[in-house]
Amino acid sequence: AQSVAQPEDQVNVAEGNPLTVKCTYSVSGNPYLFWYVQYPNRGLQFLLKYITGDNLVKGSYGFEAEFNKSQTSFHLKKPSALVSDSALYFCAVREAADKLIFGTGTRLQVFP
Amino acid sequence: GAVVSQHPSWVICKSGTSVKIECRSLDFQATTMFWYRQFPKQSLMLMATSNEGSKATYEQGVEKDKFLINHASLTLSTLTVTSAHPEDSSFYICSARVLNEQFFGPGTRLTVL
Repeated sequence: AQSVAQPEDQVNVAEGNPLTVKCTYSVSGNPYLFWYVQYPNRGLQFLLKYITGDNLVKGSYGFEAEFNKSQTSFHLKKPSALVSDSALYFCAVREAADKLIFGTGTRLQVFP
Repeated sequence: GAVVSQHPSWVICKSGTSVKIECRSLDFQATTMFWYRQFPKQSLMLMATSNEGSKATYEQGVEKDKFLINHASLTLSTLTVTSAHPEDSSFYICSARVLNEQFFGPGTRLTVL
């Protein structure tokens, strides 16, 4: 079965500093990987995805993620964090029949 | 873009009553919709896959008789929580599949007293 792991419950970063939210995956075959963001009491918003091609994927709101096959990782990054980036971030992998399997989520807190 | 709405956004009900949650794709048709449940500070757990015109496929451990899913049209799927109990209190999120992506609704917070 496919799975993703987010090892950090919370990430704290100062505004203007680079941020990284970690995700590792375990899949059989080629992984389809996603990042979503959730603001309080809201649904999920799509940030970016990796299907194939370039290992560096650029997404919404200045976020990007790097697919690393040897390390089975798909870390989310942003060069300069904003206070408004504070939210809950989920990594996900797509299973058969387009089902998404989500990680446990990482709360990002950006301090002014 | 693909917009998914849910109604209601929040609901409070008494124990033993049934609650219906609607999930609509506003500007596209979706043959497949998904229902998730999210507990506080936890991840989303897939409950079931809703297919237009056929029975829903439930994940292991999800009671199909308690969580009734109907996908009667290409733009609407409903989740009915029957005989709700306090342990059913949760945040319910739906998504609609378009090509290879899922677009999520804003969620419905259910509180059972």
